[in-house]
Amino acid sequence: EPEVTQTPSHQVTQMGQEVILRCVPISNHLYFYWYRQILGQKVEFLVSFYNNEISEKSEIFDDQFSVERPDGSNFTLKIRSTKLEDSAMYFCASSAPSNQPQHFGDGTRLSIL
Amino acid sequence: GIQVEQSPPDLILQEGANSTLRCNFSDSVNNLQWFHQNPWGQLINLFYIPSGTKQNGRLSATTVATERYSLLYISSSQTTDSGVYFCAVGRRGAAGNKLTFGGGTRVLVKP
Repeated sequence: EPEVTQTPSHQVTQMGQEVILRCVPISNHLYFYWYRQILGQKVEFLVSFYNNEISEKSEIFDDQFSVERPDGSNFTLKIRSTKLEDSAMYFCASSAPSNQPQHFGDGTRLSIL
Repeated sequence: GIQVEQSPPDLILQEGANSTLRCNFSDSVNNLQWFHQNPWGQLINLFYIPSGTKQNGRLSATTVATERYSLLYISSSQTTDSGVYFCAVGRRGAAGNKLTFGGGTRVLVKP
């Protein structure tokens, strides 16, 4: 069964540095998402991406964040000038256009020191 | 936005017991998914069930969309069922179908 792949599985970064989290969605999917889960809390929506542009974003997704689909397969989340409170598990998901479920990757655990 | 409430927040079971987890949501939805988050943090998709009833082994789920709730049944629980169970709902539109997650039910199955 096709899977959503995320790299790296764990990223440790100094506060103030930039990080790029990478995702390879399922190949025939058209909608892409990033979610965040702070330790011990629920999963929160960050952003959705369709047709090479952001289709919806939450209030969490401020100017510090950006997303890109640089080629036909990768989908990236960039976090500039990281803060301690950015420490979380970040999940990428993708879905087909019709009434299909979202498929989640295994997540990237981001630790800001 | 849509509000999603899960109950109970915590559940302790003896191995072999049955249980029911509930998810209430505040508005009509056309996407509902149940996930199991394992100790490594992975979100395992259990069911895509915007309406109706589905079964997969010892797990089954029922969504009554008109009454805005979904139930997840665990039968003959095993220690490997331990973890956090999340319900997530969405309203599909032109912008996509973002999921709103509930707070989860933390399940511990004791041997």
